[in-house]
Amino acid sequence: DAGVTQSPTHLIKTRGQQVTLRCSPKSGHDTVSWYQQALGQGPQFIFQYYEEEERQRGNFPDRFSGHQFPNYSSELNVNALLLGDSALYLCASRHTGAAYEQYFGPGTRLTVT
Amino acid sequence: ILNVEQSPQSLHVQEGDSTNFTCSFPSSNFYALHWYRWETAKSPEALFVMTLNGDEKKKGRISATLNTKEGYSYLYIKGSQPEDSATYLCAFMGYNNNDMRFGAGTRLTVKP
Repeated sequence: DAGVTQSPTHLIKTRGQQVTLRCSPKSGHDTVSWYQQALGQGPQFIFQYYEEEERQRGNFPDRFSGHQFPNYSSELNVNALLLGDSALYLCASRHTGAAYEQYFGPGTRLTVT
Repeated sequence: ILNVEQSPQSLHVQEGDSTNFTCSFPSSNFYALHWYRWETAKSPEALFVMTLNGDEKKKGRISATLNTKEGYSYLYIKGSQPEDSATYLCAFMGYNNNDMRFGAGTRLTVKP
């Protein structure tokens, strides 16, 4: 089992561009959450997907959107990138019936210049 | 307390020292408290999940306690080793349990 995987590992984008980050959950997991970790802060919850729908959303603007596919993998899209979007983006997965057992991927480091 | 707060922000200890750090969290709507160990360039690794007031968990030299009434948890490391160097994150989970609210972490450096 490869665990939670994310791609790409690093990404550099320019202000105003759009970016897509990808996440494959751990085998057997059906729920995917995305977090943003800015420098010096803890991870901040962006949103969670279950059954291909956004189940809950944190305090992030509509420029942040996502998608979950039938195989439970997920994408995070950010439009109109700002310098402040530079951060580590973490994906976490779990089975919906096992709220305690959330596994994280290694993250995607996004740099916006 | 509305946010999750961790202290200290960073800690430098010598190999063999014992150390502890604190996580403060909202005392209402409590569902679970998670501790993660996070090494640079790796995935955060789950250490403990605690759900009941008075819970004490132990894994090798690392242990944790939980007080949900006053909203704090302590993580203890006995006889620190250089491989314990990492950032230790705590995360509060409320009853909706769809998201986790993280502290900023305590960065531990153990010098040989």
